[in-house]
Amino acid sequence: DSGVTQTPKHLITATGQRVTLRCSPRSGDLSVYWYQQSLDQGLQFLIQYYNGEERAKGNILERFSAQQFPDLHSELNLSSLELGDSALYFCASSAGDTIDNYGYTFGSGTRLTVV
Amino acid sequence: AQSVTQLDSHVSVSEGTPVLLRCNYSSSYSPSLFWYVQHPNKGLQLLLKYTSAATLVKGINGFEAEFKKSETSFHLTKPSAHMSDAAEYFCVVVRGSQGNLIFGKGTKLSVKP
Repeated sequence: DSGVTQTPKHLITATGQRVTLRCSPRSGDLSVYWYQQSLDQGLQFLIQYYNGEERAKGNILERFSAQQFPDLHSELNLSSLELGDSALYFCASSAGDTIDNYGYTFGSGTRLTVV
Repeated sequence: AQSVTQLDSHVSVSEGTPVLLRCNYSSSYSPSLFWYVQHPNKGLQLLLKYTSAATLVKGINGFEAEFKKSETSFHLTKPSAHMSDAAEYFCVVVRGSQGNLIFGKGTKLSVKP
């Protein structure tokens, strides 16, 4: 167990729907990062939050949004889902607002299948 | 801009033989580099990191990597492969001061008995 908890582990939903993925960072970590792993795009950075504030944005679609709550857990919201959004979504956490000496700690991911 | 290129998408070795997974990087300044491993249906685990200290970096499970600035390479090696090493390996560079990671396409390592 890495200490980063992602729920649910698997999600199957239909096109056009909206889903919410949840991440609880490792105890004491203030940063949360979201990554998408798909067959065609590989692993891509989506967005980072640090202590409740958006810190960096990557290749995140406008249909996707995220937030980090006062208790530091984060949610990634995916709306108007398309078949191409099917992927493994990873959350990672780190203590500070940049990568620390131990890299990130990754969760085990949420596998989203859009049908 | 930073980037990494993993030169092999698939490497197959026999158990007990050496492993070499190749990675070249591109960075306008001294990079921070990582190797991560992903076992089937699992998350990403940090193997080792380079952050401008020793150029030969030792990681977990007997893996090591050597940073070679002249060759812009950060190849991952292990003297003797074990069946449990079968996984996908990602070479990673840190994007500037933001701390987000740029992943290579991955190298799938197969280990034959």
